[in-house]
Amino acid sequence: KAGVTQTPRYLIKTRGQQVTLSCSPISGHRSVSWYQQTPGQGLQFLFEYFSETQRNKGNFPGRFSGRQFSNSRSEMNVSTLELGDSALYLCASSPDTNTGELFFGEGSRLTVL
Amino acid sequence: DQQVKQNSPSLSVQEGRISILNCDYTNSMFDYFLWYKKYPAEGPTFLISISSIKDKNEDGRFTVFLNKSAKHLSLHIVPSQPGDSAVYFCAARGSKRQNFVFGPGTRLSVLP
Repeated sequence: KAGVTQTPRYLIKTRGQQVTLSCSPISGHRSVSWYQQTPGQGLQFLFEYFSETQRNKGNFPGRFSGRQFSNSRSEMNVSTLELGDSALYLCASSPDTNTGELFFGEGSRLTVL
Repeated sequence: DQQVKQNSPSLSVQEGRISILNCDYTNSMFDYFLWYKKYPAEGPTFLISISSIKDKNEDGRFTVFLNKSAKHLSLHIVPSQPGDSAVYFCAARGSKRQNFVFGPGTRLSVLP
């Protein structure tokens, strides 16, 4: 089985721009979650999508948004980028069982200049 | 307010000895816990899980202990190997409809 695929792996943007990150989950997984990782902060939960619906949302401003398509692929978008948005953005898929752990992609490293 | 805490940012252990990584949580509704390992430039990989109906789960060199009354769990790695050097995250959630909450991580260095 192919793992979780995230694109792009690295990108550089400037303040005020917007960015879209993509995630393809493991085949058969219908739950996709997004996390932001910054040094010292661990993994901060952004949102989770299940069957094209946002099921959970973390404490991030409205500049952070996402969506999920009918094939379970997901995208997240960050508008009006700020320097503090520089981070590793991780996508994880899950089979959504009672004991379903998260399977992570390698992440998208965003640098905002 | 961090619901999942890993109070040791780093830990160094000699190869062959035991590594003990600790995790504390504040939400009494959490009933399922995971440990992940992360190497640089890679995504976190799942290590081991434990449900609140158990107090111990073992998988090879890795054992997780859960003390519900203390809201504390720990990951034991025996024997530690240099390849275990990584950042370790614990994560917790309540029902399966809720998201996992991660701790800030502990960087483990296993010295040869």
